Formats: sequence, C-alpha cells, structure tokens
Amino acid sequence: GAVVSQHPSRVICKSGTSVKIECRSLDFQATTMFWYRQFPKQSLMLMATSNEGSKATYEQGVEKDKFLINHASLTLSTLTVTSAHPEDSSFYICSAKIPNYQETQYFGPGTRLLVL
Amino acid sequence: GQQLNQSPQSTFIQEGEDVSMNCTSSSIFNTWLWYKQDPGEGPVLLIALYKAGELTSNGRLTAQFGITRKDSFLNISASIPSDVGIYFCAGDYSGGYQKVTFGTGTKLQVIP
Repeated sequence: GAVVSQHPSRVICKSGTSVKIECRSLDFQATTMFWYRQFPKQSLMLMATSNEGSKATYEQGVEKDKFLINHASLTLSTLTVTSAHPEDSSFYICSAKIPNYQETQYFGPGTRLLVL
Repeated sequence: GQQLNQSPQSTFIQEGEDVSMNCTSSSIFNTWLWYKQDPGEGPVLLIALYKAGELTSNGRLTAQFGITRKDSFLNISASIPSDVGIYFCAGDYSGGYQKVTFGTGTKLQVIP
C-alpha cells in the first residue's frame, strides 16, 4: 500500500517561534496532499489542500499567512506554523492521494505540536 | 457545509461480539471510506467503497455504501482486543474538489 511519512513526529516549541512539518509520499508521487488538524477527542478537520507547483487552497477560517504550505516536489509538502501560539498546539496530519487512482487518501502518522 | 454524523459515539463490547457503526450525511458522496485511528497515530484505511449499494469485506470487517449515497455502515465481526480504537467514516465528493469530510468518530472498546 501507499506509504506517507511525517517529520517530526513530535515537537515542542516556544510561543512566537515557527515550526516546519514535512510530509512525504515514500512510494508514489502525489500531486495533491492534504493537511488536517485534530484536537483531542475530535475528528480531523481539513486545513488546506496542497497542490504541487501551485498555491495551496485553504479552508474557510484557516489563516494562510499563519499556516504556510509549500508543495515543491511530487513527494514532499511542508506545513510551517508561523509565530506559533499555545492555541496552535494540536495533532497535525497530512495525507496524499495516488494520482488518477480512485479517491483514497493515505495518511501520515501525524505530528504532535506543543507550543509553550 | 457537509456534515457526517456517526453513531454510536462510543461503545463497549465483549470480545467475540459483533459491532456495527454507521454514518449519515446531509448530502451525497461518490466515495465512502472507513478508517481506524489508534491513539497518537494517523488514520489507517480499512475499506473504501466506490459505488452505491456496494458491499465490501476486508477480513472481519464489512462495509456498505448506502443506496441513497448519503449513508454507510461498518460491521466488525468476532471482535478482538486489538479492534480497540476510534473508527472514522469519511466521504469524498469529487466534484473537482477532491476533499474528504470526516465523520465524528466512533470509539470502540473491547472487553477481553
């Protein structure tokens, strides 16, 4: 099956700093990747759709200047949380689709962000 | 926006029992997906459904895509302790948007 990795798996940072999270598709090329955020005991909420070679599409209510997304290659998308605050602490999960192959999304293992 | 309601929210069952959970939507989907999420990990795909009425099995798991395209159910038979986790349904309406909407989740606990 398709494998998606994320790095780091866990990060703690000080308030006001920026944090970069990487999402990689290991055994396939992904023209589209997705970034989700999950708060404790809640479902996954889509933040943005990351398209290789073009700008990301953000969901309503998600600040694009705060959550910078770069999809520079067919196997890598990055999410940068800029000027992080404690309320940004969450579980961030990426997913990727195999191009032209049904509609199934494969998820990464997630990144736990704690902002102090 | 689209809403996916899952039920039950949470359930306890005895090891060896069967359990069903279902998902209903306020709008139609072209694809239904069922995922399992263990604590601190990303969701893992269990079953994908692509046609209305489709019934698909994966080992002890069976899922169906409702005829109305607004609902789906997942059944787990002969439960074992490692079935514990949170199960999410997800719907994909690929009308050019390719976005997946997740359900509210069902927390399953299996009593050995």
